[in-house]
Amino acid sequence: KQEVTQIPAALSVPEGENLVLNCSFTDSAIYNLQWFRQDPGKGLTSLLLIQSSQREQTSGRLNASLDKSSGRSTLYIAASQPGDSATYLCAAVGPYDKIIFGKGTRLHILP
Amino acid sequence: KAGVTQTPRYLIKTRGQQVTLSCSPISGHRSVSWYQQTPGQGLQFLFEYFSETQRNKGNFPGRFSGRQFSNSRSEMNVSTLELGDSALYLCASSSTSNNEQFFGPGTRLTVL
Repeated sequence: KQEVTQIPAALSVPEGENLVLNCSFTDSAIYNLQWFRQDPGKGLTSLLLIQSSQREQTSGRLNASLDKSSGRSTLYIAASQPGDSATYLCAAVGPYDKIIFGKGTRLHILP
Repeated sequence: KAGVTQTPRYLIKTRGQQVTLSCSPISGHRSVSWYQQTPGQGLQFLFEYFSETQRNKGNFPGRFSGRQFSNSRSEMNVSTLELGDSALYLCASSSTSNNEQFFGPGTRLTVL
């Protein structure tokens, strides 16, 4: 049974810092790993999708890596801004689009 | 391309009633999944439909059901509502090319 864990649960950093969010999963038989952002009371916005055959994906200041053998993914945010404050969720996508989510990391960027 | 839409956005019901939520996927997407999000349990998978067939189901009681129509629109029904059903219900659609999930804004259900 797939379990997804995100550490830390919450994080506060000063504006401008680079930061890393961690995601681990127990079953390496995944189709892909997807990172989302969720603002309070809103739906999820897809940030990056890493296919199981890929090692990393980049979009702007975001970079996500995937290591299936160790069951880990990281989301790197460069030069953080107050607008990056949100909850970040990772999700392991298995067969038939069954997605198992982590509980998220609440990120607060201090101006 | 229009995104995933969900209706209604907010809903207030009382215990024992039933409710139907609707989700329209991105044009061309044939897979629709439903999730329940609560502060305590986080995001939990309900079920997934593809071409009008349920392919996968999470661990929810039979009060939770769904269906998908030939145009890929999906509905989710919850019967005999309980207070614990209060949650944000999210649907997501994906294409078969890479399984990237796109979420709608959700329906906030409050059960009184």
